[in-house]
Amino acid sequence: NAGVTQTPKFQVLKTGQSMTLQCAQDMNHNSMYWYRQDPGMGLRLIYYSASEGTTDKGEVPNGYNVSRLNKREFSLRLESAAPSQTSVYFCASRVRGSLGTSGGYTGELFFGEGSRLTVL
Amino acid sequence: GDSVTQMEGPVTLSEEAFLTINCTYTATGYPSLFWYVQYPGEGLQLLLKATKADDKGSNKGFEATYRKETTSFHLEKGSVQVSDSAVYFCSGAGGTSYGKLTFGQGTILTVHP
Repeated sequence: NAGVTQTPKFQVLKTGQSMTLQCAQDMNHNSMYWYRQDPGMGLRLIYYSASEGTTDKGEVPNGYNVSRLNKREFSLRLESAAPSQTSVYFCASRVRGSLGTSGGYTGELFFGEGSRLTVL
Repeated sequence: GDSVTQMEGPVTLSEEAFLTINCTYTATGYPSLFWYVQYPGEGLQLLLKATKADDKGSNKGFEATYRKETTSFHLEKGSVQVSDSAVYFCSGAGGTSYGKLTFGQGTILTVHP
């Protein structure tokens, strides 16, 4: 019952350093997401992958890159970390569910436990 | 674009008090709506959902009804417990956004004995 697994859970970086957050899900979901959570801002979508082989920008993509390595894994990379990227990062995958009355799917997100990143 | 407006907190209640957290959603069409809960140090987990207008989602004593006229999905619980202390997020999957969920800012709930 692993669900969505994120690594590392904690990381401290200096400005300008790079790092990759890893995410894997074992629920055979097609869609995967990276969000960041900041106080008073809720969750903001960084990038998502609707299916294997595709990635799209979310609300706040600047300073990040992603790779959908296969159906299970979706990584987030910070090429040159900045203090503004200090945040808690959540990976999620989504069960599709059924087709809703508005055309969108009804499935919910399953979240990892989060990765707390501090950039000094 | 899609947006979620959620009642700002924090909310502080005594045990056994009645809880309401307001949420409204703006989107094209009628999206699926969700409430997520985040306990300290953990990720978000689904609390309940409604996938079409007039649906009622319920779980662990919490309820929310999808009101089509106002696209509202207010969270309610008749008698809160200390263990309900957490952050609650309203979220929606817009009808034209295959795969993307939009979240509100979150409401911090603290329940005192």
